Amino acid sequence: GQNIDQPTEMTATEGAIVQINCTYQTSGFNGLFWYQQHAGEAPTFLSYNVLDGLEEKGRFSSFLSRSKGYSYLLLKELQMKDSASYLCAVRDSNYQLIWGAGTKLIIKP
Amino acid sequence: IAGITQAPTSQILAAGRRMTLRCTQDMRHNAMYWYRQDLGLGLRLIHYSNTAGTTGKGEVPDGYSVSRANTDDFPLTLASAVPSQTSVYFCASSAGGDSATEAFFGQGTRLTVV
Repeated sequence: GQNIDQPTEMTATEGAIVQINCTYQTSGFNGLFWYQQHAGEAPTFLSYNVLDGLEEKGRFSSFLSRSKGYSYLLLKELQMKDSASYLCAVRDSNYQLIWGAGTKLIIKP
Repeated sequence: IAGITQAPTSQILAAGRRMTLRCTQDMRHNAMYWYRQDLGLGLRLIHYSNTAGTTGKGEVPDGYSVSRANTDDFPLTLASAVPSQTSVYFCASSAGGDSATEAFFGQGTRLTVV
């Protein structure tokens, strides 16, 4: 079967750095996406990785290791508005997105 | 319309009733999707359409049907609603295929079946 694993919940302090991990087992791989979802809102796109390595976009970076079936999302200089759920999704061999259950990130002052 | 729009935003529905959730996009995306999101389970694909005139079943298609008569619209119908269909429903679209572009989501429909 196909599986995406993420921690259910994480807590971090405003101004700090947090790393949210995602491991996956899917039938084929055609890219990995990270989305942010605030409570009661739709998911919004954060990053995309298809090759191994780090993709940086402002305060957010995403890393991929295809051989390990592993990705992480790194958030720097945390702000209160970063409190949200972060969803990891892998596009499989049929180009369908397989979603993790999401990681709820709680930012404390 | 800018992006992808769903209607209604919320609905309380009696069990056994028929209901259609509407979804419209103006980005000329080929692919469209319907997901349900339940606490602790993440997004689960109900049905999808890779291009106008074609549809496919996702992970949890039972009790739902879709149509894709044109590029812009992708309605989801519950033929006879049951309480287990209480959920938040998201419609999404993307350029499709092997495109590296992301999926865009509608604002969601919160459905309660009583």
